[in-house]
Amino acid sequence: GNSVTQMEGPVTLSEEAFLTINCTYTATGYPSLFWYVQYPGEGLQLLLKATKADDKGSNKGFEATYRKETTSFHLEKGSVQVSDSAVYFCALSKAAGNKLTFGGGTRVLVKP
Amino acid sequence: EADIYQTPRYLVIGTGKKITLECSQTMGHDKMYWYQQDPGMELHLIHYSYGVNSTEKGDLSSESTVSRIRTEHFPLTLESARPSHTSQYLCASSPRGLGGGELFFGEGSRLTVL
Repeated sequence: GNSVTQMEGPVTLSEEAFLTINCTYTATGYPSLFWYVQYPGEGLQLLLKATKADDKGSNKGFEATYRKETTSFHLEKGSVQVSDSAVYFCALSKAAGNKLTFGGGTRVLVKP
Repeated sequence: EADIYQTPRYLVIGTGKKITLECSQTMGHDKMYWYQQDPGMELHLIHYSYGVNSTEKGDLSSESTVSRIRTEHFPLTLESARPSHTSQYLCASSPRGLGGGELFFGEGSRLTVL
């Protein structure tokens, strides 16, 4: 079956530091890949997505590239802010339908 | 900002009580979902619906039940709550269509069963 594995947190870093959250997946066919973010006390919201190999998703300074050869979709941001403190979820969905399979989430804490 | 609403946001009840968590969306989405989020943050799909009168069990077995009588409404019911049901429940919706995968989430209902 489908599965998503992402690095465990918490990840603690200082403002303006570089952030990487690793995500790898197992799936048949060609899934679409997503990063969702959950700010404290809120539901999840879509951060970025990529629907085919070598696509790069980007939003709010975050980027992730769909790497089929390594089955990965690592999230990166060059300079984090305190407001980026949140839980980040990597997810995939198959082409038909919208059922998402989520990774376990990575908590990120950015200190001033 | 997503137009999907969950009530109550927080609920503390005793064992054996019946509870219903409400979820409504005003976007006209056909698909709706319930996820259970455990304290370790992991999300588990417990129910989903692809339209009115359509409901399916998700990947994680749950004692809760759902109904979909109207497009905009997808309530979740526990007939007899137990402490093991203590969790955060997240409702989500998405429009019809292949692929995409963008889900719109409510803010969640945090249930505590004493």
